[in-house]
Amino acid sequence: GAVVSQHPSWVICKSGTSVKIECRSLDFQATTMFWYRQFPKQSLMLMATSNEGSKATYEQGVEKDKFLINHASLTLSTLTVTSAHPEDSSFYICSARVISVQETQYFGPGTRLLVL
Amino acid sequence: AQSVAQPEDQVNVAEGNPLTVKCTYSVSGNPYLFWYVQYPNRGLQFLLKYITGDNLVKGSYGFEAEFNKSQTSFHLKKPSALVSDSALYFCAVRVTGGGNKLTFGTGTQLKVEL
Repeated sequence: GAVVSQHPSWVICKSGTSVKIECRSLDFQATTMFWYRQFPKQSLMLMATSNEGSKATYEQGVEKDKFLINHASLTLSTLTVTSAHPEDSSFYICSARVISVQETQYFGPGTRLLVL
Repeated sequence: AQSVAQPEDQVNVAEGNPLTVKCTYSVSGNPYLFWYVQYPNRGLQFLLKYITGDNLVKGSYGFEAEFNKSQTSFHLKKPSALVSDSALYFCAVRVTGGGNKLTFGTGTQLKVEL
C-alpha cells in the first residue's frame, strides 16, 4: 500500500515556540492531504484539508493562524503549530489521498507533540 | 451531515474465536465505508473499504466486512482472532461528492486473549 511518513515522530517544546511537522507521501503523489488531531482514547478530529498549490481548508473551530498549513508539492505538506501552548499537546496525524485510488486515505504514523 | 457509531468501546475475544466489531452509519447519499486499525502510538492502517459492488468486502490480515444498506451497518469480522489483532479499530464514512472528508467513529478497542 501507499506509504506516508511524518517527521518528527515526537517533539517536546517550550510554551510560546513554534513547531513544524512534515507529512510526506513516499511512493505516490498526493494532491490532497489531511491533518487530524487525536486526543487520548478519542477519535480523530479533522483539522484541515491541504491542497497542493492552494490554501488549506480549515474545519470549523480550528484557528488557521495558529495551525499553519503549507502544501508546496505533491509529496509534502507541513503543519506548523505557532506559539504553542500546553493545550496544543496532542497526537497529530496526517493522511494523503492517492490520486489513482481516490477513495482511500493513507495515514502517516503520527507526531506526538508535548508543549511544556 | 454524516456520522458513524461504534457502539462498543471494547470487545474481548478469545484467540481462535470469531470476532465482530460493529459499525453503523448515517449519511445522505451513497456511502463510502472504511475500516482502519491503530496500534499504540501509531497512525492508522487501512484495512478495507466498501465503495460499490459486492456487499462482502475482504481486506488485510484476514479481515472482512459486510455492507448492509437496510441496516446501515458495516460490521468488521474475522473468522479466527489472533492475539496480534489486539488494537484500536476505527470505522469511517464519507459520501460521494463530500470532498473526501472522512468522518470517524469513536473507535473500538479489541482485546484478544489466549
